[in-house]
Amino acid sequence: AQKVTQAQTEISVVEKEDVTLDCVYETRDTTYYLFWYKQPPSGELVFLIRRNSFDEQNEISGRYSWNFQKSTSSFNFTITASQVVDSAVYFCALRSGGSYIPTFGRGTSLIVHP
Amino acid sequence: EADIYQTPRYLVIGTGKKITLECSQTMGHDKMYWYQQDPGMELHLIHYSYGVNSTEKGDLSSESTVSRIRTEHFPLTLESARPSHTSQYLCASSSHLGQGDGNTEAFFGQGTRLTVV
Repeated sequence: AQKVTQAQTEISVVEKEDVTLDCVYETRDTTYYLFWYKQPPSGELVFLIRRNSFDEQNEISGRYSWNFQKSTSSFNFTITASQVVDSAVYFCALRSGGSYIPTFGRGTSLIVHP
Repeated sequence: EADIYQTPRYLVIGTGKKITLECSQTMGHDKMYWYQQDPGMELHLIHYSYGVNSTEKGDLSSESTVSRIRTEHFPLTLESARPSHTSQYLCASSSHLGQGDGNTEAFFGQGTRLTVV
């Protein structure tokens, strides 16, 4: 069984603040894949990043960074110097090696005020 | 950029009508999925397919049906729409060529927002 928990339902920040979105996962598989998606008000899900269980390197892409820690089963997402365009619902997802179907968390709604 | 398309983008129909939501992808992906999502809420898997002529029901019970006659096409049909079917329907596809393969993320279409009146 696989499970993803995004405990933060909604986060509200002011532009230029840094914000971290939490993601905790559960799986019994040793091989798995973690993902983050962004869903803007227009509705589509935009893929942001994939992390394999055997690669614990953190990643930075512009203002976005991801912290993968197997010891705490977490895959947190940080936006530095947030902007209004970052306002969206962000979903964390997990696909275990034994399943082809990704499991999504409930999503975190990020609101960035000007 | 993902090459997966859903039509229509928006649909308003009357109760009792039969509708088909279209989903096509040009990436040659073998796996395809349908999710149902109320605005701003979690995604619920309603159908998935591992390949041609393979379809399975997802975690959320749905009165819809799907078919997979061609790799690129995965339509979803509601035989008799009801107001409770009002929601957003998201189609996705992915490819898994083996353990450790990099092509494991699901790509999503833009969604169909269905309103049944």
